[in-house]
Amino acid sequence: QQQVKQSPQSLIVQKGGISIINCAYENTAFDYFPWYQQFPGKGPALLIAIRPDVSEKKEGRFTISFNKSAKQFSLHIMDSQPGDSATYFCAPLYSGAGSYQLTFGKGTKLSVIP
Amino acid sequence: DVKVTQSSRYLVKRTGEKVFLECVQDMDHENMFWYRQDPGLGLRLIYFSYDVKMKEKGDIPEGYSVSREKKERFSLILESASTNQTSMYLCASSPYTTLNEKLFFGSGTQLSVL
Repeated sequence: QQQVKQSPQSLIVQKGGISIINCAYENTAFDYFPWYQQFPGKGPALLIAIRPDVSEKKEGRFTISFNKSAKQFSLHIMDSQPGDSATYFCAPLYSGAGSYQLTFGKGTKLSVIP
Repeated sequence: DVKVTQSSRYLVKRTGEKVFLECVQDMDHENMFWYRQDPGLGLRLIYFSYDVKMKEKGDIPEGYSVSREKKERFSLILESASTNQTSMYLCASSPYTTLNEKLFFGSGTQLSVL
């Protein structure tokens, strides 16, 4: 059973445009919703995260939108830059029952073209 | 800055060999993890450890074992390497107090089994 569905698999955006990546989940027990960013040749790194008590969080050009009823959260990258070209993973976390394990999506490869 | 160091960036082994992948972190983190990353499949958890000499199976432990004799070091062992274990292996760590809300990843070991 796939608990986390991330879309699209790949995305090409013009410089200055808006990149949008979506993550749908099934487990309503998830209580922390991060996005990780991975550049080629590097491990993933935490980019931005949100808790379910808020619907939106913004950090610079990066925004997470959270829709609890739809069981979805998305990453928006405003004014996308070539330096944002990377693979992005959603990784919701369930902290109940001592588990504390992230469930990674399959990733979205973003290419920002000049 | 937290540093998670994986001993090899690239590794080529033959089918049936015993393979050791080493990971060291320098921030006194209690939690350590081994993931494998395959194109289109995202990150999948192999094993994790919350303390010295402690280990727990992740989602895909078959064909792997781990060792944690010291807090800073977590080793992944392929007892008899097979071609389907060709993959990128990522080590990660996190402090126990953050409940895995932020994982720190190494740069990965690309293992090829011929």
